[in-house]
Amino acid sequence: EVHLEEFGGGLVQAGGSLRLSCVASGFIFSRYAMHWVRQAPGKGLEYVSAINFNGGRTYYGNSVRGRFTISRDNSKNTLYLQMGSLRAEDMAVYYCAREVRTVSGELDYWGQGTLVTVSS
Amino acid sequence: DIQMTQSPSSLSASVGDRVTITCRASQSIDSYLNWYQQKPGKAPKLLIYAASSLQSGVPSRFSGSGSGTAFTLTISSLQPDDFATYYCQQSYNVPRTFGQGTKLEIK
Repeated sequence: EVHLEEFGGGLVQAGGSLRLSCVASGFIFSRYAMHWVRQAPGKGLEYVSAINFNGGRTYYGNSVRGRFTISRDNSKNTLYLQMGSLRAEDMAVYYCAREVRTVSGELDYWGQGTLVTVSS
Repeated sequence: DIQMTQSPSSLSASVGDRVTITCRASQSIDSYLNWYQQKPGKAPKLLIYAASSLQSGVPSRFSGSGSGTAFTLTISSLQPDDFATYYCQQSYNVPRTFGQGTKLEIK
């Protein structure tokens, strides 16, 4: 069974840093592109970042580019999101999600999310 | 970035109703359009991919259509479990932008 579980959320001061992890199980992690999506309290879904299967290509949403870094360790079945220069508007539940291997590109499995709270 | 616009933003309906939600892209995305359902406190769940393909395990009362810039999600006969927020997302390119969501509430 495919399972994704996020770790690392918590309370951080504005301007600080935090690293999120997403541990994958139940599938061959190294074959899949992975994404981070966030949701601010009471708001909609916002695309954050993505990484291809081997870490060779990464993508970022405009609001986090230059401050966040996505990476992966396929030997540990783990996806990461290093977040820096955190702002109040970064406060959200962060979800990791798996992208299907077909060209259609949908996100078929999601973790339960981890909450990042930024204090000013 | 491709902008995705859903309408309506919220919708009140009754059990048994037929409901349609619209999603428009700011440029053509062929059929690279996905629909997700989200309930409070839960992760999004994939319903429809490639505009009209039903994800495994999703009830057949859900259907999707469209291509290019205009898409619809239809629920043929609302069930109590369907009251949730629905999001469209384009997977034509990155960033894979989402619509703002449509909250479906019980009338």
